[in-house]
Amino acid sequence: DAKTTQPTSMDCAEGRAANLPCNHSTISGNEYVYWYRQIHSQGPQYIIHGLKNNETNEMASLIITEDRKSSTLILPHATLRDTAVYYCIVRVEDDKIIFGKGTRLHILP
Amino acid sequence: EAGVAQSPRYKIIEKRQSVAFWCNPISGHATLYWYQQILGQGPKLLIQFQNNGVVDDSQLPKDRFSAERLKGVDSTLKIQPAKLEDSAVYLCASTDRGAFEQYFGPGTRLTVT
Repeated sequence: DAKTTQPTSMDCAEGRAANLPCNHSTISGNEYVYWYRQIHSQGPQYIIHGLKNNETNEMASLIITEDRKSSTLILPHATLRDTAVYYCIVRVEDDKIIFGKGTRLHILP
Repeated sequence: EAGVAQSPRYKIIEKRQSVAFWCNPISGHATLYWYQQILGQGPKLLIQFQNNGVVDDSQLPKDRFSAERLKGVDSTLKIQPAKLEDSAVYLCASTDRGAFEQYFGPGTRLTVT
């Protein structure tokens, strides 16, 4: 079973920041937080991952709480192309990925 | 860099028929995965290969599903005989040794009637 809890769906206005929450209260000290997204009719795409510190790349930022029990993926300026299902996953390095149902993000024009 | 290739993209068969899917991972990637994604759900791992050896096939229904990865490159996933509940998208992914990121192909959408 997936070790994360995410809202089923969210809306965000185009151009605004999309903040996607994820709860992982049973995360272990050696488990990373990963985010993938899946655009309709495509395979999942890696976005970002982190262990303890906040991370940023060209796609998004990942904010992990100090107790590591939750995290937030931030898309700073959402576009229509960011409409997708976003999966939050916790895993030990090199371990298999267990996907939950994710959050369906709708970007509204 | 070429991505993960899969074929066919779509397949429709009748129940009790057999079907095979093909995957060509990113060049040099040692690890290859097959996932099954039923509509409305996240992908579920079926089998993981490290080079041409099986690392994890605990979720593979071995009475009807089989997979191989000859020479540690391309892989095929076969279903024989197919059931209605096998209707799903079958995704292939690969990853480089020590890398965090899995790269997914576009998937094969199977419809069993």
